[in-house]
Amino acid sequence: DSGVTQTPKHLITATGQRVTLRCSPRSGDLSVYWYQQSLDQGLQFLIQYYNGEERAKGNILERFSAQQFPDLHSELNLSSLELGDSALYFCASSVVDQAHSSYNEQFFGPGTRLTVL
Amino acid sequence: AQTVTQSQPEMSVQEAETVTLSCTYDTSESDYYLFWYKQPPSRQMILVIRQEAYKQQNATENRFSVNFQKAAKSFSLKISDSQLGDAAMYFCAYWEERTYKYIFGTGTRLKVLA
Repeated sequence: DSGVTQTPKHLITATGQRVTLRCSPRSGDLSVYWYQQSLDQGLQFLIQYYNGEERAKGNILERFSAQQFPDLHSELNLSSLELGDSALYFCASSVVDQAHSSYNEQFFGPGTRLTVL
Repeated sequence: AQTVTQSQPEMSVQEAETVTLSCTYDTSESDYYLFWYKQPPSRQMILVIRQEAYKQQNATENRFSVNFQKAAKSFSLKISDSQLGDAAMYFCAYWEERTYKYIFGTGTRLKVLA
């Protein structure tokens, strides 16, 4: 158990719909990352938040948005869903330390499997 | 742009033997970290080993070790005494301090043969 929780575990919805995925980072971790993993593919970095602010942006579609709340949990919102959005969505958290000796290991949640029909 | 390349989509190794998974990356940054993550069939991502770019010594974690060649931008993972439980997808990943971006390779599927 990494200490990162994601809900729901599974989500089945229809094209055109909107869903929200939730992530709670490990206690003390300020940084949250979101990734998309399509079937048998690598991880695509979507977006990162640090202490409530967007820190880095990857290949995130305009239909997708995210935020990190004051209690540090994060939500990924996916709208106007398409069949191709079906994937496993991972959240990861880490302690981002500016000190050079930090190692920034990411701790991954179990993922949310999204199926768009 | 930074890239991470894993040129071996699939590898096989006999149980108890040694296997090396390849990873190359491209960056102009000086401060970065490299990681190998394992993803078993459960799909849970598990950190295997990490390497700080400023460290010349290769990282080692039990049966897992890396060969970090900074000038060549190569970061291979060696698994010794392979076990059935090592069967998984292995992802090489890069993280840089300046942008905080994580970049993952496309993965290598490792099969361990009994």
